[in-house]
Parts: sequence; C-alpha cells; structure tokens
Amino acid sequence: AQTVTQSQPEMSVQEAETVTLSCTYDTSENNYYLFWYKQPPSRQMILVIRQEAYKQQNATENRFSVNFQKAAKSFSLKISDSQLGDTAMYFCAFLFSGGYNKLIFGAGTRLAVHP
Amino acid sequence: DAGVIQSPRHEVTEMGQEVTLRCKPISGHDYLFWYRQTMMRGLELLIYFNNNVPIDDSGMPEDRFSAKMPNASFSTLKIQPSEPRDSAVYFCASSPTLAGRYTDTQYFGPGTRLTVL
Repeated sequence: AQTVTQSQPEMSVQEAETVTLSCTYDTSENNYYLFWYKQPPSRQMILVIRQEAYKQQNATENRFSVNFQKAAKSFSLKISDSQLGDTAMYFCAFLFSGGYNKLIFGAGTRLAVHP
Repeated sequence: DAGVIQSPRHEVTEMGQEVTLRCKPISGHDYLFWYRQTMMRGLELLIYFNNNVPIDDSGMPEDRFSAKMPNASFSTLKIQPSEPRDSAVYFCASSPTLAGRYTDTQYFGPGTRLTVL
C-alpha cells in the first residue's frame, strides 16, 4: 500500500524568504503522479504543482518548484519569495497512474508567512 | 470554466435529520470523487464514480451514507440519519480521463462545512 509522510506539522517563514516543505512516500509502483495542494483558511483545496514520476525534470510553477528524488522517494516543495498569501496548509499527495485512481494524502504542513 | 461547484457551502442540522450535499463536476471530467476532511482523520476518500457509475465505495463509513450520480453533471452525497460525528468538511473533486482509462489531476470544489448538533 502507498503511504505519504509529511514530517513537518508546522513551519514559518519571513515574507520574501524561501522555505522548503518535505514529503516522502512509499510505493512499489514505477508509474505515478505526485502533487502539492494548498489549503488556505478559506479551506479551498488548490492544486499547486504536479510531477509525473517518469519525468526526471523537476516541475516548476512560478515561485513554486519541487525537488523530486525518485530513488529516495522524496518530493519536497520549495516556495521562493514567500508572500503573506502563501499562508496555508500544504498537502503532499500520491496517485498511482495504473488505474488505482485513489489520491493518497499526507497529513499536511501548516505554513505561516510572517511580515 | 467555473470549476467544481458544491452546495451548500455551510450546513447546520440537528441529529437525526437527513442531509444532502450537492456537486457539479467540471464539464468533460469523467471521474467524480467525494472526500471528507476532519482534524482527527485528515482527508478520506469516501466514494468515486467513473462515467456516473460508482467504482469504489469502500470509504463510505456506514449505511447511513449514500451517494448517487444520476448524470454527468450532478452528484449527491446523502446522510440519513445524521449524527454529530458526521460533522466535517465534505469535498467533491473531479478529474479527466488519461489515455482513455486512468484518472489524472483531481480538481476540488470549495467544500461543504457540515455541522450536526
């Protein structure tokens, strides 16, 4: 069974600084997707970034980038130039692309960006 | 596109009452998922549909919960009778089909916050 672990329950960062959120996962599958979702106080689940396991190149979306280490089963999220609006819960999630169709979430990391 | 639409956004009801949550997926998405989020258990998948057919309902907590998808643009999650422990945020998500078979990125609705007194 696949599991996703986020070892940092809470983190804080100063505005304009860079922060990295950690995520590890366990799977015996070779083809899968990894995601980071953001949940601000409005509780909306917002897709931040998506990574396909077969792609070696790390995904980037503006100020958000990932460090995907397939052998180590690690998928960290880096937020550059942090903004107050980045304050949210961040969930790492795994999806097996072979038809299982279930998105497996980590427990989340609560990020606070301070002025 | 308007994204996934859920209604109501907030629901407060009394124990024993029937509750119906509604979801409209993104047009063209073949998969629809219902999740529940609580502090204790995090995000849990309750049930998902493919082309309006329930595929996996193993996450439905008990017989008081039921879900339907009568057409491609509408789904309901019903709790009857409701209990205080059902209080949670319920999310609906939809996803397109990849390569004709498998699901891809899931897009979430705004959620319904349910409080059962």
